Amino acid sequence: DGGITQSPKYLFRKEGQNVTLSCEQNLNHDAMYWYRQDPGQGLRLIYYSQIVNDFQKGDIAEGYSVSREKKESFPLTVTSAQKNPTAFYLCASSRSNSQETQYFGPGTRLLVL
Amino acid sequence: QKEVEQDPGPLSVPEGAIVSLNCTYSNSAFQYFMWYRQYSRKGPELLMYTYSSGNKEDGRFTAQVDKSSKYISLFIRDSQPSDSATYLCAMRGAGGTSYGKLTFGQGTILTVHP
Repeated sequence: DGGITQSPKYLFRKEGQNVTLSCEQNLNHDAMYWYRQDPGQGLRLIYYSQIVNDFQKGDIAEGYSVSREKKESFPLTVTSAQKNPTAFYLCASSRSNSQETQYFGPGTRLLVL
Repeated sequence: QKEVEQDPGPLSVPEGAIVSLNCTYSNSAFQYFMWYRQYSRKGPELLMYTYSSGNKEDGRFTAQVDKSSKYISLFIRDSQPSDSATYLCAMRGAGGTSYGKLTFGQGTILTVHP
């Protein structure tokens, strides 16, 4: 059953804590993306990766970090430097061809305690 | 001014109505246009995907792109309660520095009541 999985579904962060959101895909897609969704603001791009061991900052990368050690996996760390982390985080993937569109995972809701 | 503007609604219609959802944009480099549907607390799912100007139909859904006016639309015919969701428009350029980068509208919340 091909798709994108994200875990956990809900995540709670304490002040000053780093947390990592998981994203895995078995679609054999080369490119992967992380978005943040806030009410009334649509989706904003945090980081993206076109190939293993390479990634680029999106529009709102400050306070976040990523890694791409495997084609299937693109974890996102929300660091303590991100002062407003409460949001819905969406991972997406696509084939490497720039004409291909993106398919999304089910999302992780991050809340601050 | 945002690159993509979308009326957030909310939009409430009776079952069977024709729904029109719209986005305007300012970046003339956008070539690929998408509509996503997002149910509450779920990830967006691709609904329609079009390239450049023109119409595309898929069942009850029709996507229109007018590049001269920088305006895209999604029409839903015979709307059903199961169509109740947030609809997001998204677009991007043809490659190069715009590779893979989608720019989204704010999303329109649609409710179809029986």
